[in-house]
Amino acid sequence: DAGVIQSPRHEVTEMGQEVTLRCKPISGHNSLFWYRQTMMRGLELLIYFNNNVPIDDSGMPEDRFSAKMPNASFSTLKIQPSEPRDSAVYFCASRLDRLYEQYFGPGTRLTVT
Amino acid sequence: QKEVEQNSGPLSVPEGAIASLNCTYSDRGSQSFFWYRQYSGKSPELIMSIYSNGDKEDGRFTAQLNKASQYVSLLIRDSQPSDSATYLCAVISGGYQKVTFGIGTKLQVIP
Repeated sequence: DAGVIQSPRHEVTEMGQEVTLRCKPISGHNSLFWYRQTMMRGLELLIYFNNNVPIDDSGMPEDRFSAKMPNASFSTLKIQPSEPRDSAVYFCASRLDRLYEQYFGPGTRLTVT
Repeated sequence: QKEVEQNSGPLSVPEGAIASLNCTYSDRGSQSFFWYRQYSGKSPELIMSIYSNGDKEDGRFTAQLNKASQYVSLLIRDSQPSDSATYLCAVISGGYQKVTFGIGTKLQVIP
């Protein structure tokens, strides 16, 4: 299996621009997670999908952030407009069942100038 | 109080020693517990999972769970420089089976 796939791996953009991060979970996994990691705050859960339905989006910082999962093999995280404080590494992870371990993608390093 | 607490370290141990990493959690109903290793610039990688009280061993790694005291620990025997990384504790709890990570403990194994 190819594992969780994320794109792009690096993104540099200017403040105010729209940013779209993409994720392909492991085939057969029914849960998908988006995380943000910074030195100060560690790994923060942004949103969690189960069977393509958003279950918990309480970690989404504000309305500038949105996430979709149109089908079982694809998800996007969009930031519009982006701000310098959004600079972080964004990870996508997937899991087979509710109590099982998650598998992480390689992450997208976002820099907003 | 944070839901999952870890000492951020760094924890320094000499090569060949036992490294002991600890994690406490606040939700008594938590059901599943994991340890992830994260090398600098890389994504977290699962190294241990534990679901019931007691010890679970896998090679040089032993995970320990005590639900009454609400703590999880990870022991690394015969520590190697290649074990130098940040170790993240993760806990699943709640009706939505939410996963919460600790801040991570940075481990440094000194040759």
